[in-house]
Amino acid sequence: AQSVTQPDIHITVSEGASLELRCNYSYGATPYLFWYVQSPGQGLQLLLKYFSGDTLVQGIKGFEAEFKRSQSSFNLRKPSVHWSDAAEYFCAVGRISNFGNEKLTFGTGTRLTIIP
Amino acid sequence: ETGVTQTPRHLVMGMTNKKSLKCEQHLGHNAMYWYKQSAKKPLELMFVYSLEERVENNSVPSRFSPECPNSSHLFLHLHTLQPEDSALYLCASSQDSWDRASDGYTFGSGTRLTVV
Repeated sequence: AQSVTQPDIHITVSEGASLELRCNYSYGATPYLFWYVQSPGQGLQLLLKYFSGDTLVQGIKGFEAEFKRSQSSFNLRKPSVHWSDAAEYFCAVGRISNFGNEKLTFGTGTRLTIIP
Repeated sequence: ETGVTQTPRHLVMGMTNKKSLKCEQHLGHNAMYWYKQSAKKPLELMFVYSLEERVENNSVPSRFSPECPNSSHLFLHLHTLQPEDSALYLCASSQDSWDRASDGYTFGSGTRLTVV
């Protein structure tokens, strides 16, 4: 069965520092991979996605992620974080469900705190 | 606004009340989802509708009753809830089949439900 692991429950970084959030997936075929961000009390917003092709994908808000098949990883990065990046980040893998439609499986999320 | 609108944004209800949550999308998506998000817990998929037919019910108690009258609208009817049902309820929509242009799921901003 497919799964998504985000090993870091909570990460704290200083404003202006670089960021890397980890995501590992387990899936038998080439996956569709997503990163979402959730601000407190809000829904999830798509940051970026990988379907195929170039393994380094760019997203909104200056984020990027790299698909590494050999490591089954899709880590999210940002070179310099801003206080407004404080939020919960979810990695997700897409697959075909038992009913034939596409379905997302989400990781448990990583909460990002930014300190001045 | 993301294209998925949820109402109300906040709801306080007693354990004997009956209320409904509403979700509306005009993105042309044909699949809709209800998620429950409790504090310090992973996202819990509750129900999946594809082409207005319920295709997934993840062992949700019968006090939660979904309804999908058409592909643009999704409801969650609530009755005799318990305090532990207090959570953020998120609605999402997507296409059934994805291609490189797909954005996975589009989420609403959620309804914050408090059961007293």
